Amino acid sequence: DVKVTQSSRYLVKRTGEKVFLECVQDMDHENMFWYRQDPGLGLRLIYFSYDVKMKEKGDIPEGYSVSREKKERFSLILESASTNQTSMYLCASSLGRVNEQYFGPGTRLTVT
Amino acid sequence: RKEVEQDPGPFNVPEGATVAFNCTYSNSASQSFFWYRQDCRKEPKLLMSVYSSGNEDGRFTAQLNRASQYISLLIRDSKLSDSATYLCVVKEEFNTNAGKSTFGDGTTLTVKP
Repeated sequence: DVKVTQSSRYLVKRTGEKVFLECVQDMDHENMFWYRQDPGLGLRLIYFSYDVKMKEKGDIPEGYSVSREKKERFSLILESASTNQTSMYLCASSLGRVNEQYFGPGTRLTVT
Repeated sequence: RKEVEQDPGPFNVPEGATVAFNCTYSNSASQSFFWYRQDCRKEPKLLMSVYSSGNEDGRFTAQLNRASQYISLLIRDSKLSDSATYLCVVKEEFNTNAGKSTFGDGTTLTVKP
């Protein structure tokens, strides 16, 4: 079974703080993704990575950065958290570019 | 117009009913298709891939119509446990968008006793 884990289920941060969200997958998948999900807006892709040290912008990269130093780990960084970044953040991985994605349990981030 | 559009919900059906969801996509370069299920406040989970020839998994049947650019999901003999939001997903295989998934907004199904 593919397992994707995220560092926190719930997180509360203050405006302006730097926030790190960690994601780890244990199936040697090449591709990893970060999404946010908001009511009425669906799943939106923030960043993705096809290989170690590679990253591509998704549809809403502003205010975020990512890091992939090891194949199994993909980190999402909020450089200076803002209230409009309050959301559910979902990490996913896939074996190849056309394969299905497997999601982690999500991190519900609240920025106050 | 959204790239992936799903039937607006919610669908409220009695146990045992048959229900069908449709999903249309606008990008003819889409190559891979999936249905995911998402329970309230949980992550999406893969329900099934959708193949050109259609595929069935127990009470669930998925079909793809490339000419009309839509996929469908049929659930027979609905169970209470089928209550969830169903997400349609399409992926491009080639070009700069290869590997990116486009998600529909989801259709909510409630199965009632």
